[in-house]
Amino acid sequence: AQSVSQHNHHVILSEAASLELGCNYSYGGTVNLFWYVQYPGQHLQLLLKYFSGDPLVKGIKGFEAEFIKSKFSFNLRKPSVQWSDTAEYFCAVIAGNQFYFGTGTSLTVIP
Amino acid sequence: GAGVSQSPSNKVTEKGKDVELRCDPISGHTALYWYRQSLGQGLEFLIYFQGNSAPDKSGLPSDRFSAERTGGSVSTLTIQRTQQEDSAVYLCASSLDGGWNTQYFGPGTRLTVL
Repeated sequence: AQSVSQHNHHVILSEAASLELGCNYSYGGTVNLFWYVQYPGQHLQLLLKYFSGDPLVKGIKGFEAEFIKSKFSFNLRKPSVQWSDTAEYFCAVIAGNQFYFGTGTSLTVIP
Repeated sequence: GAGVSQSPSNKVTEKGKDVELRCDPISGHTALYWYRQSLGQGLEFLIYFQGNSAPDKSGLPSDRFSAERTGGSVSTLTIQRTQQEDSAVYLCASSLDGGWNTQYFGPGTRLTVL
């Protein structure tokens, strides 16, 4: 069965540290990839998405993600995190016309 | 403009009772999605409506779950004979068109089955 794996369940960083959150999926065909973010007390919102084209995707708030097809990965990165990036981050994949979410990574940024 | 709204925000019910959860999508959005977020389980897709097409019900966990969308707008998710494992946050999202395009999420309904 298709699945999405987020290996980091909880990440704690100091401000200005670099961030990389892992996302791997299991599906051999065409995929569409997303990262969503849920800030404390707020709704889920789209951070960035990849449908086709340049595999390096830039999103809001300085986030980017790189689709590496050979590694079935879509890792989220940010060069310098801020306290306001504290949130839950979800990777999601559309594969075979089905939508799959990862279990989420909780990021805490310490001022 | 107004975002996706859901009601109630919280629902506590007894095992065996039926519950109805409501979603009001963003006006003009033709696609509507229901998800469930259980503790430690991440988001689980339940059902997807796109325009007048038959809904994609592939994610519904059992026949106790059903959903309808009236007039292409408001949607109701019904859970019959609730069980404790149904306790979760139920999220609704809408998008301007289908194809799993950019979805806007509502605040969710937290369902607790005692």
